[in-house]
Amino acid sequence: DIQMTQSPSSLSAFVGDRVTITCRAGRSISSYLNWYQQKPGKAPKLLIYAASSLQSGVPSRFSGSGSGTDFTLTISSLQPEDFATYYCQQSYTTPWTFGQGTKVEIK
Amino acid sequence: QVQLVESGGGVVQPGRSLRLSCAASGFTFSSYGMHWVRQAPGKGLEWVAVISYDGSNKYYADSVRGRFTISRDNSKNTLFLQMNSLRAEDTAVYYCAKDAGFGDILYYFDYWGQGALVTVSS
Repeated sequence: DIQMTQSPSSLSAFVGDRVTITCRAGRSISSYLNWYQQKPGKAPKLLIYAASSLQSGVPSRFSGSGSGTDFTLTISSLQPEDFATYYCQQSYTTPWTFGQGTKVEIK
Repeated sequence: QVQLVESGGGVVQPGRSLRLSCAASGFTFSSYGMHWVRQAPGKGLEWVAVISYDGSNKYYADSVRGRFTISRDNSKNTLFLQMNSLRAEDTAVYYCAKDAGFGDILYYFDYWGQGALVTVSS
């Protein structure tokens, strides 16, 4: 199985801050990397697919980059509605694995 | 708009069975692969199973292979997960999720249901 490791596991930030979350794959997954946002008690929501493509309807303050084993999700200016847990997921090979999550909290 | 509505969750004793359903609407169900993804209480996401648009291909996580069966009824726009020999570690919210690929499976999830809680306890 490809292990996906996110860092940090949690972070505190102010509204307006630039936030970066990192995801590292156990081996190269090319650009088969996706990002989801999950709010408490809700289903996950797709933000970014194929490492850097913005899902329709997702605000442009979200962006993704990377390839191979190292990827980042950036929120350019954190908004109140962005406080949530973020997961990366590889779609390169079965089983399709997720990172452990990064919880973004209000500072 | 795309809607996925799970049903069939509940409390079940270890070793027993449960069947989840997911009613789909707002898209051409018969053209998309579908997945089940679960989340244990307070934990992260775990992919469980996928079925191709026509039901001809199915893949499972090692943790459920041989115990769970994914299926679909394209005439009723419904996805199923038959769960047998349930264990305490299967306790989770089970989400059905639409694959993002039209025809071909892309193995990422662009729409999710609200989830169904399955609790395995004596």
